[in-house]
Amino acid sequence: AQSVTQPDIHITVSEGASLELRCNYSYGATPYLFWYVQSPGQGLQLLLKYFSGDTLVQGIKGFEAEFKRSQSSFNLRKPSVHWSDAAEYFCAVGANNDMRFGAGTRLTVKP
Amino acid sequence: DGGITQSPKYLFRKEGQNVTLSCEQNLNHDAMYWYRQDPGQGLRLIYYSQIVNDFQKGDIAEGYSVSREKKESFPLTVTSAQKNPTAFYLCASKRTLLTYEQYFGPGTRLTVT
Repeated sequence: AQSVTQPDIHITVSEGASLELRCNYSYGATPYLFWYVQSPGQGLQLLLKYFSGDTLVQGIKGFEAEFKRSQSSFNLRKPSVHWSDAAEYFCAVGANNDMRFGAGTRLTVKP
Repeated sequence: DGGITQSPKYLFRKEGQNVTLSCEQNLNHDAMYWYRQDPGQGLRLIYYSQIVNDFQKGDIAEGYSVSREKKESFPLTVTSAQKNPTAFYLCASKRTLLTYEQYFGPGTRLTVT
């Protein structure tokens, strides 16, 4: 079965700084890849997804992610973080009719 | 507006009582899921259903039960057999068996004392 790892449990960035959240997966072929965001006490909202094609995908709220097959990675990026981006971010991997979520990365934004 | 509703938002129960969490969707999605979320542990799959009147256990089904009598509804019962029921519970759905993208409800926080 596929698995997904988010190496960073907690990241703090200053408002206006760039952001990169890491996601690595384990699967024999190219899986379906997702990033979700969760505000405290809320459900998960889909930020972006990758199925095939262009390896740089754009999402909502100014986020983008790049699929790198050679590194089995799907890192999430944002050029300039806003205070409202403070939340928990989950990477997810879909394959064989199964979806696996990473443990999440909590983002704190400093003023 | 189409979406997934979970009720109530907060639920409190005494130990030893069964409690049922509601999940309803009007997206006409075939599949529905229940996840449990604890701090630092991400999402863990409890049960899922791909069609009406059918459901499968996920990774942590012990102490939980579900039903899927209608396409729109997938209630979760937390039984007294669940050792640590206090958690945040998320319901999700997806359009068909062949898709992966899941849509989530707002969650129910259950506290058992």
